[in-house]
Amino acid sequence: ELKVEQNPLFLSMQEGKNYTIYCNYSTTSDRLYWYRQDPGKSLESLFVLLSNGAVKQEGRLMASLDTKARLSTLHITAAVHDLSATYFCAVDMYFGNEKLTFGTGTRLTIIP
Amino acid sequence: GAVVSQHPSWVICKSGTSVKIECRSLDFQATTMFWYRQFPKQSLMLMATSNEGSKATYEQGVEKDKFLINHASLTLSTLTVTSAHPEDSSFYICSARDSVGTSYNEQFFGPGTRLTVL
Repeated sequence: ELKVEQNPLFLSMQEGKNYTIYCNYSTTSDRLYWYRQDPGKSLESLFVLLSNGAVKQEGRLMASLDTKARLSTLHITAAVHDLSATYFCAVDMYFGNEKLTFGTGTRLTIIP
Repeated sequence: GAVVSQHPSWVICKSGTSVKIECRSLDFQATTMFWYRQFPKQSLMLMATSNEGSKATYEQGVEKDKFLINHASLTLSTLTVTSAHPEDSSFYICSARDSVGTSYNEQFFGPGTRLTVL
């Protein structure tokens, strides 16, 4: 059974600071997805990482994937209040299977 | 592009009644759609995979007779919660995979339906 864990579960940080959210998964996968969810809303796609060593950046967010370590990171640079949300990573179980398994989620609160 | 809609956005019903939730891919065809359930402050849990023209595949622990899924066309899947009870109250989210899209499993998510059973 594929397990996807995120760390930390809750994160409160001040504006302007940097921090990293970690996503570990238990079985081989080359495809990892990051999503953002605002309260009461559905998911917004942030990044799709498709290979070992993949790095993608959008604004103050940067995601990377290390398939050998089964680890992805979501790095936040110079946080701003608008980034307050819950962030989920999700992993395919294996190629050809379309199911996504979601991580536990990280609730991020940016304090002015 | 790649927009998925859900209807209704929220619904309040009495215990024992049935509720139907629609999921539509607006600008693409989706042979496969997915239904998720999310309790407050928790992650998404896959309930079932909906396949156009065939039976849905349910995850372990999900009652097929309680959560009826119909995927009658390439743009519409429905989830019917039968004889709803308060413990069925949750946020239900659907997603759809573009049939002619990319090779990876990019799913486009609907806005969700909040179900409250009194």
